[in-house]
Amino acid sequence: EVQLLESGGGLVQPGGSLRLSCAASGFTFSSYPMSWVRQAPGKGLEWVSAISGSGGSTYYADSVKGRFTISRDNSKNTLYLQMNSLRAEDTAVYYCAKRSPDTAVSPPAFDYWGQGTLVTVSS
Amino acid sequence: DIVMTQSPDSLAVSLGERATINCKSSQSVLYSSNTKNYLAWYQQKPGQPPKLLIYWASTRESGVPDRFSGSGSGTDFTLTISSLQAEDVAVYYCQQYYSTPPTFGQGTRLEIK
Repeated sequence: EVQLLESGGGLVQPGGSLRLSCAASGFTFSSYPMSWVRQAPGKGLEWVSAISGSGGSTYYADSVKGRFTISRDNSKNTLYLQMNSLRAEDTAVYYCAKRSPDTAVSPPAFDYWGQGTLVTVSS
Repeated sequence: DIVMTQSPDSLAVSLGERATINCKSSQSVLYSSNTKNYLAWYQQKPGQPPKLLIYWASTRESGVPDRFSGSGSGTDFTLTISSLQAEDVAVYYCQQYYSTPPTFGQGTRLEIK
């Protein structure tokens, strides 16, 4: 069974940093590109960043480019999102999401999502 | 970026009746070389992550009930629930994966009348 478990969220002041993790199990992690998608409270879905299976290619939304860094450790089956220079508008639930194998394109559709971790940026 | 616009924003349908949600993209998401529409639909229930329902505009994800169907091509797409069940109350999103960044519609809230 595929499982994605995010952690690392919390309350941080504007300008601060946070590192999110997503522990994956139930599939061959290194074979799948992964993404982070966020959802501000009561709002819709916004794609944030993606990384290839090897980690050699990364992609970012303009809203986070230069502030966030996506990475992965395939030996630990874990995805990361390093978030720096955080702003109030970064407040959201952050989901990690797995590429659907039936949409082996870039970008893909997402067949599994974690439960999310809440990041709150406030003074 | 491709802008996805859903209509209506909210919808109330009686149990057993048909529900229809529309999604329009600001440019075509039909890839001519393979004639596939790069469009997916998701269902999100309160407190839960999104669940993939449909991809390639009309292919149901494994395990999704056949009352859910997707149609459309190019820039105009529809998600239809043929006979609404109580467990279908949720917010529904379309997503294009034709180009980076992948973008989502604003969501349509579906309720029971």
